[in-house]
Amino acid sequence: AQSVTQPDIHITVSEGASLELRCNYSYGATPYLFWYVQSPGQGLQLLLKYFSGDTLVQGIKGFEAEFKRSQSSFNLRKPSVHWSDAAEYFCAVGAPGTASKLTFGTGTRLQVTL
Amino acid sequence: GAGVSQSPSNKVTEKGKDVELRCDPISGHTALYWYRQSLGQGLEFLIYFQGNSAPDKSGLPSDRFSAERTGGSVSTLTIQRTQQEDSAVYLCASSLDGDQPQHFGDGTRLSIL
Repeated sequence: AQSVTQPDIHITVSEGASLELRCNYSYGATPYLFWYVQSPGQGLQLLLKYFSGDTLVQGIKGFEAEFKRSQSSFNLRKPSVHWSDAAEYFCAVGAPGTASKLTFGTGTRLQVTL
Repeated sequence: GAGVSQSPSNKVTEKGKDVELRCDPISGHTALYWYRQSLGQGLEFLIYFQGNSAPDKSGLPSDRFSAERTGGSVSTLTIQRTQQEDSAVYLCASSLDGDQPQHFGDGTRLSIL
């Protein structure tokens, strides 16, 4: 069965600092990979996705993620964090060839200090 | 509307009652999904619709849970004889088809007293 691990439950960074959120997955083949962000009381917003091709993926709000097959990782990065980035971030995987039935990680809560 | 719409946004009910949660997907999206988000279990897949049929309902936790979709659009998730462990946020998502990214609604927060 596929699984997703987000090892960091909670991360605090200063505004303007760089950010990296970790995501590791377990799957027999390369899955579809996603990062979503959730603000309190809101649904999930898609930040970016990886289906195939270029392993460095650009998303919205200045985020990017890099797929590393050898490490089964899909880490999310942002060079300079803004206070409005404080939220919970979820990594998700879907079976190859279909984005249905996503499996989510447990999430990383990001706190930004001013 | 432009996004996925869910109603009600909050629902409080007594244990043993039945509840219905509604999802109105983005217009033109053929695929629709239900997830449950709870403190203990995180985000769990419940069921997936392609059109009006449900090729994957493997995530429904018990036979008290059912869902239907009519007209390839609105979906209703029904929970019968609610239990306290059903308390959670129920999220609906839709996508153009089963191979496209999912767009989520703001969820229904269900509280069972």
